[in-house]
Amino acid sequence: AQSVTQLDSHVSVSEGTPVLLRCNYSSSYSPSLFWYVQHPNKGLQLLLKYTSAATLVKGINGFEAEFKKSETSFHLTKPSAHMSDAAEYFCVVSDRISSASKIIFGSGTRLSIRP
Amino acid sequence: DTGVSQDPRHKITKRGQNVTFRCDPISEHNRLYWYRQTLGQGPEFLTYFQNEAQLEKSRLLSDRFSAERPKGSFSTLEIQRTEQGDSAMYLCASSLGLGTGNTEAFFGQGTRLTVV
Repeated sequence: AQSVTQLDSHVSVSEGTPVLLRCNYSSSYSPSLFWYVQHPNKGLQLLLKYTSAATLVKGINGFEAEFKKSETSFHLTKPSAHMSDAAEYFCVVSDRISSASKIIFGSGTRLSIRP
Repeated sequence: DTGVSQDPRHKITKRGQNVTFRCDPISEHNRLYWYRQTLGQGPEFLTYFQNEAQLEKSRLLSDRFSAERPKGSFSTLEIQRTEQGDSAMYLCASSLGLGTGNTEAFFGQGTRLTVV
């Protein structure tokens, strides 16, 4: 069975400072991991994905995430926050191999950016 | 192909009425998912299809909910005897199937249901 836990429901940072959004996962098999972003009244957009290649994954808008199997984590980071980064972020897990796999969302982390 | 398409975008209905939503996935995708999202929450899994086969249905779904995917193309989600608690955004997503090593899901814009 798969599950994902986003450790913070809300993160607030100042513009220009680093962003860290935490995610831990549980998967019986080999996970695919994703981060999606949802701006107010907008659809879900894929930020980045891990599917067994490099453990450090770079995404759009300067975001990146590192897959750490020993810690079952896939934290999202960005060196310098921008006002336009304010949104809801979802960590997502899926199983690359199991025929019964489905895509499971975390509960989300709301990112606020202070001027 | 312009991505996953959902219709309608908005639906207001009276309690007790039936509603049906449609999702057209990306054409080469054989997996199709339905999720429900309420304000301030993450998308909750409802059900998913591999081609025309419904592989799993969440315990969140009561018997009032039914989904179909005839011929493995578009899908419909029907809610019978709607209740105010059904008010939510209903999201559809599609992805490539197993064997591709890529399970990235592409989401539609959603159908916002309001039950009054």
